[in-house]
Amino acid sequence: GAGVSQSPSNKVTEKGKDVELRCDPISGHTALYWYRQSLGQGLEFLIYFQGNSAPDKSGLPSDRFSAERTGGSVSTLTIQRTQQEDSAVYLCASSLALAGGREQYFGPGTRLTVT
Amino acid sequence: AQSVAQPEDQVNVAEGNPLTVKCTYSVSGNPYLFWYVQYPNRGLQFLLKYITGDNLVKGSYGFEAEFNKSQTSFHLKKPSALVSDSALYFCAVRDTGNSGYALNFGKGTSLLVTP
Repeated sequence: GAGVSQSPSNKVTEKGKDVELRCDPISGHTALYWYRQSLGQGLEFLIYFQGNSAPDKSGLPSDRFSAERTGGSVSTLTIQRTQQEDSAVYLCASSLALAGGREQYFGPGTRLTVT
Repeated sequence: AQSVAQPEDQVNVAEGNPLTVKCTYSVSGNPYLFWYVQYPNRGLQFLLKYITGDNLVKGSYGFEAEFNKSQTSFHLKKPSALVSDSALYFCAVRDTGNSGYALNFGKGTSLLVTP
């Protein structure tokens, strides 16, 4: 079946602009996660959603970052007033549920470059 | 707090030889442990996981890993390496002793298998 999809695959933006990154999880997966992968910081957790519960935002690095998940499916990660340190690959993952040791399935990522 | 260490930035092995990629972890409760592989410009692919039970777990592409509670390790192994195994490997842990569901990843180990 279809895996996790993300768009765009690449995004170049100017410092100070807002960007939106989209994630479409695997059908039927109730949990959705956002991570950021950068050379200096490795893989960092940003936020996760489970069904209609309040998201865990504990990994968001600043209030410029926000995310929403509409209808329990597609998610959008928004970065306002982008900074050069936001340049990274943003990875989305989904899993069947949060409980237990469910593995997460990752999308191909969105490479964000802030100039 | 949970953490993962992958002590080797790079592992080099000749094709046909056994390979080991090391991972140690620190958690407050019991660990859920995962290995992922990342090929260039691709997302992370799930290889295997340890949740409970048998300490030796088998996964995709002939990989296996052994959970060692006393040494807090979860090393990835393969009896006979292939050139196509060359990729970036990530160990990850979720600590069942806290309420979060995000995975904490190691920095990654680059595996190079030479013909």
